[in-house]
Amino acid sequence: GENVEQHPSTLSVQEGDSAVIKCTYSDSASNYFPWYKQELGKGPQLIIDIRSNVGEKKDQRIAVTLNKTAKHFSLHITETQPEDSAVYFCAAKRPNAGKSTFGDGTTLTVKP
Amino acid sequence: GAGVSQSPSNKVTEKGKDVELRCDPISGHTALYWYRQSLGQGLEFLIYFQGNSAPDKSGLPSDRFSAERTGGSVSTLTIQRTQQEDSAVYLCASSLGGDSATQHFGDGTRLSIL
Repeated sequence: GENVEQHPSTLSVQEGDSAVIKCTYSDSASNYFPWYKQELGKGPQLIIDIRSNVGEKKDQRIAVTLNKTAKHFSLHITETQPEDSAVYFCAAKRPNAGKSTFGDGTTLTVKP
Repeated sequence: GAGVSQSPSNKVTEKGKDVELRCDPISGHTALYWYRQSLGQGLEFLIYFQGNSAPDKSGLPSDRFSAERTGGSVSTLTIQRTQQEDSAVYLCASSLGGDSATQHFGDGTRLSIL
Protein backbone atom coordinates (compact mmCIF):
# COMPACT_ATOMS: atom_id res chain seq x y z
CA GLY A 1 0.00 0.00 0.00
CA GLU A 2 0.87 3.68 -0.06
CA ASN A 3 3.42 5.03 2.40
CA VAL A 4 3.89 8.75 3.02
CA GLU A 5 6.88 10.15 4.88
CA GLN A 6 6.88 13.75 6.11
CA HIS A 7 9.79 15.89 7.27
CA PRO A 8 10.60 17.63 9.49
CA SER A 9 8.47 16.55 12.43
CA THR A 10 8.95 19.94 14.08
CA LEU A 11 9.86 23.30 12.57
CA SER A 12 10.41 26.61 14.30
CA VAL A 13 10.78 29.84 12.33
CA GLN A 14 10.85 33.54 13.04
CA GLU A 15 7.85 35.58 11.99
CA GLY A 16 8.29 36.74 8.41
CA ASP A 17 10.58 33.86 7.44
CA SER A 18 9.60 31.07 5.07
CA ALA A 19 8.76 27.51 6.07
CA VAL A 20 9.10 24.40 3.93
CA ILE A 21 7.67 20.96 4.70
CA LYS A 22 8.48 17.97 2.51
CA CYS A 23 6.71 14.68 1.85
CA THR A 24 7.63 11.61 -0.15
CA TYR A 25 5.23 8.92 -1.30
CA SER A 26 5.74 5.38 -2.48
CA ASP A 27 2.85 4.61 -4.84
CA SER A 28 3.53 6.04 -8.29
CA ALA A 29 -0.20 5.70 -9.08
CA SER A 30 -1.14 8.36 -6.51
CA ASN A 31 -2.48 11.42 -8.26
CA TYR A 32 -3.94 13.70 -5.60
CA PHE A 33 -1.93 15.43 -2.86
CA PRO A 34 -3.72 17.59 -0.29
CA TRP A 35 -2.23 19.53 2.62
CA TYR A 36 -4.12 20.04 5.85
CA LYS A 37 -3.67 22.38 8.80
CA GLN A 38 -4.78 21.19 12.22
CA GLU A 39 -5.13 23.55 15.15
CA LEU A 40 -5.32 22.32 18.71
CA GLY A 41 -8.60 20.57 19.47
CA LYS A 42 -9.84 20.89 15.90
CA GLY A 43 -10.08 18.62 12.90
CA PRO A 44 -7.69 19.03 9.94
CA GLN A 45 -8.68 21.70 7.42
CA LEU A 46 -7.62 21.61 3.77
CA ILE A 47 -5.34 24.53 2.91
CA ILE A 48 -4.14 23.61 -0.57
CA ASP A 49 -4.03 20.60 -2.87
CA ILE A 50 -2.36 19.60 -6.10
CA ARG A 51 -3.13 17.03 -8.76
CA SER A 52 -0.53 15.03 -10.61
CA ASN A 53 -0.94 16.89 -13.88
CA VAL A 54 0.33 20.11 -12.28
CA GLY A 55 3.83 20.90 -11.02
CA GLU A 56 3.08 23.87 -8.81
CA LYS A 57 0.11 25.66 -7.30
CA LYS A 58 -0.03 28.92 -5.34
CA ASP A 59 -2.62 30.52 -3.11
CA GLN A 60 -1.44 33.80 -1.61
CA ARG A 61 1.34 32.94 0.88
CA ILE A 62 1.03 29.19 0.38
CA ALA A 63 2.42 27.12 -2.47
CA VAL A 64 2.80 23.42 -3.18
CA THR A 65 5.24 21.82 -5.61
CA LEU A 66 5.13 18.29 -6.96
CA ASN A 67 7.92 16.21 -8.48
CA LYS A 68 6.28 13.07 -9.87
CA THR A 69 9.55 11.53 -11.00
CA ALA A 70 11.06 11.74 -7.54
CA LYS A 71 7.69 11.11 -5.86
CA HIS A 72 7.90 14.04 -3.53
CA PHE A 73 5.89 17.17 -2.89
CA SER A 74 6.46 20.18 -0.67
CA LEU A 75 4.49 22.89 1.10
CA HIS A 76 5.95 26.38 1.11
CA ILE A 77 4.67 29.13 3.41
CA THR A 78 6.11 32.59 2.89
CA GLU A 79 5.99 35.60 5.23
CA THR A 80 4.97 33.38 8.13
CA GLN A 81 2.73 34.78 10.85
CA PRO A 82 2.10 33.52 14.41
CA GLU A 83 -1.34 32.31 13.34
CA ASP A 84 0.36 29.90 10.94
CA SER A 85 1.47 27.92 14.01
CA ALA A 86 -0.26 24.53 13.84
CA VAL A 87 0.30 20.92 12.82
CA TYR A 88 0.47 20.40 9.06
CA PHE A 89 -0.27 17.07 7.36
CA CYS A 90 0.39 15.97 3.82
CA ALA A 91 -1.55 13.15 2.20
CA ALA A 92 -1.55 11.11 -0.99
CA LYS A 93 -4.42 9.38 -2.74
CA ARG A 94 -4.52 7.07 -5.73
CA PRO A 95 -7.36 7.04 -8.25
CA ASN A 96 -10.50 5.16 -7.25
CA ALA A 97 -9.22 4.71 -3.72
CA GLY A 98 -11.54 6.10 -1.09
CA LYS A 99 -8.91 6.74 1.53
CA SER A 100 -5.99 9.10 1.65
CA THR A 101 -2.70 8.09 3.30
CA PHE A 102 -1.39 10.76 5.65
CA GLY A 103 2.09 11.72 6.77
CA ASP A 104 2.82 11.89 10.48
CA GLY A 105 2.56 15.68 10.61
CA THR A 106 4.84 18.67 11.14
CA THR A 107 4.42 20.95 14.12
CA LEU A 108 5.17 24.47 12.90
CA THR A 109 5.88 27.20 15.44
CA VAL A 110 6.18 30.78 14.26
CA LYS A 111 7.88 32.97 16.85
CA PRO A 112 6.86 36.63 17.00
CA GLY B 1 -23.06 26.33 6.34
CA ALA B 2 -23.07 23.28 8.60
CA GLY B 3 -19.90 21.27 8.64
CA VAL B 4 -19.24 17.70 9.74
CA SER B 5 -20.60 17.19 13.23
CA GLN B 6 -19.30 14.54 15.63
CA SER B 7 -20.68 13.51 18.99
CA PRO B 8 -19.82 13.25 21.74
CA SER B 9 -16.86 15.60 21.66
CA ASN B 10 -15.35 13.79 24.63
CA LYS B 11 -16.01 10.32 26.00
CA VAL B 12 -14.49 8.72 29.09
CA THR B 13 -15.31 5.10 29.78
CA GLU B 14 -14.02 2.11 31.65
CA LYS B 15 -12.04 -0.67 30.04
CA GLY B 16 -14.33 -3.40 28.77
CA LYS B 17 -17.31 -1.14 28.04
CA ASP B 18 -18.76 -0.61 24.56
CA VAL B 19 -18.82 2.88 23.01
CA GLU B 20 -20.63 4.42 20.06
CA LEU B 21 -19.31 7.44 18.22
CA ARG B 22 -21.54 9.39 15.86
CA CYS B 23 -20.80 11.36 12.70
CA ASP B 24 -23.19 13.65 10.82
CA PRO B 25 -21.65 14.44 7.44
CA ILE B 26 -22.24 17.51 5.32
CA SER B 27 -25.57 17.23 3.57
CA GLY B 28 -25.19 15.75 0.09
CA HIS B 29 -21.79 14.23 0.72
CA THR B 30 -21.86 10.64 -0.45
CA ALA B 31 -18.45 9.60 0.88
CA LEU B 32 -17.67 9.28 4.58
CA TYR B 33 -14.40 8.34 6.29
CA TRP B 34 -13.31 7.41 9.79
CA TYR B 35 -9.76 7.99 10.98
CA ARG B 36 -8.01 7.53 14.31
CA GLN B 37 -5.41 9.95 15.62
CA SER B 38 -3.28 8.97 18.59
CA LEU B 39 -1.58 11.71 20.61
CA GLY B 40 0.99 13.50 18.49
CA GLN B 41 0.55 11.09 15.61
CA GLY B 42 -0.81 11.20 12.10
CA LEU B 43 -4.18 10.02 10.89
CA GLU B 44 -4.76 6.29 10.72
CA PHE B 45 -7.44 5.26 8.22
CA LEU B 46 -10.18 3.02 9.61
CA ILE B 47 -13.05 2.71 7.11
CA TYR B 48 -14.57 4.40 4.07
CA PHE B 49 -18.24 4.52 3.06
CA GLN B 50 -19.65 5.32 -0.35
CA GLY B 51 -23.35 5.72 0.29
CA ASN B 52 -24.33 3.03 2.77
CA SER B 53 -21.75 0.49 1.68
CA ALA B 54 -18.17 0.18 2.89
CA PRO B 55 -15.89 -0.72 -0.02
CA ASP B 56 -12.81 -0.33 2.16
CA LYS B 57 -12.77 -1.39 5.79
CA SER B 58 -9.16 -2.45 5.71
CA GLY B 59 -8.09 -0.11 8.51
CA LEU B 60 -10.33 -1.49 11.24
CA PRO B 61 -7.77 -2.74 13.78
CA SER B 62 -9.77 -5.70 15.14
CA ASP B 63 -13.19 -7.30 15.12
CA ARG B 64 -14.04 -5.18 18.15
CA PHE B 65 -14.42 -2.26 15.76
CA SER B 66 -17.41 -1.91 13.47
CA ALA B 67 -19.16 0.90 11.65
CA GLU B 68 -22.40 1.43 9.83
CA ARG B 69 -24.01 4.16 7.80
CA THR B 70 -27.73 4.51 7.29
CA GLY B 71 -29.71 6.55 4.78
CA GLY B 72 -26.50 7.64 3.13
CA SER B 73 -26.01 10.09 5.96
CA VAL B 74 -25.26 9.47 9.64
CA SER B 75 -22.54 6.99 10.55
CA THR B 76 -21.81 5.24 13.82
CA LEU B 77 -18.46 3.76 14.82
CA THR B 78 -18.79 1.15 17.55
CA ILE B 79 -15.95 -0.17 19.68
CA GLN B 80 -16.79 -3.21 21.77
CA ARG B 81 -14.95 -4.31 24.91
CA THR B 82 -12.76 -1.22 24.87
CA GLN B 83 -9.06 -1.47 25.71
CA GLN B 84 -6.72 1.25 26.92
CA GLU B 85 -4.94 1.29 23.56
CA ASP B 86 -8.22 2.42 21.98
CA SER B 87 -7.72 5.82 23.60
CA ALA B 88 -7.35 8.36 20.79
CA VAL B 89 -9.19 11.04 18.85
CA TYR B 90 -11.58 9.55 16.32
CA LEU B 91 -12.08 11.82 13.31
CA CYS B 92 -14.80 11.66 10.72
CA ALA B 93 -14.63 13.28 7.29
CA SER B 94 -17.03 13.53 4.38
CA SER B 95 -16.69 14.45 0.74
CA LEU B 96 -18.72 14.71 -2.44
CA GLY B 97 -17.12 11.47 -3.56
CA GLY B 98 -15.09 10.82 -6.64
CA ASP B 99 -11.39 11.26 -7.14
CA SER B 100 -9.73 14.34 -5.75
CA ALA B 101 -12.79 15.34 -3.76
CA THR B 102 -11.90 17.45 -0.75
CA GLN B 103 -12.39 15.73 2.60
CA HIS B 104 -14.04 17.93 5.22
CA PHE B 105 -13.25 16.90 8.77
CA GLY B 106 -15.21 17.16 11.98
CA ASP B 107 -13.46 18.13 15.21
CA GLY B 108 -13.37 14.54 16.43
CA THR B 109 -14.35 12.57 19.50
CA ARG B 110 -11.64 12.34 22.15
CA LEU B 111 -11.98 8.85 23.64
CA SER B 112 -10.30 8.01 26.93
CA ILE B 113 -10.35 4.48 28.31
CA LEU B 114 -9.64 4.21 32.03
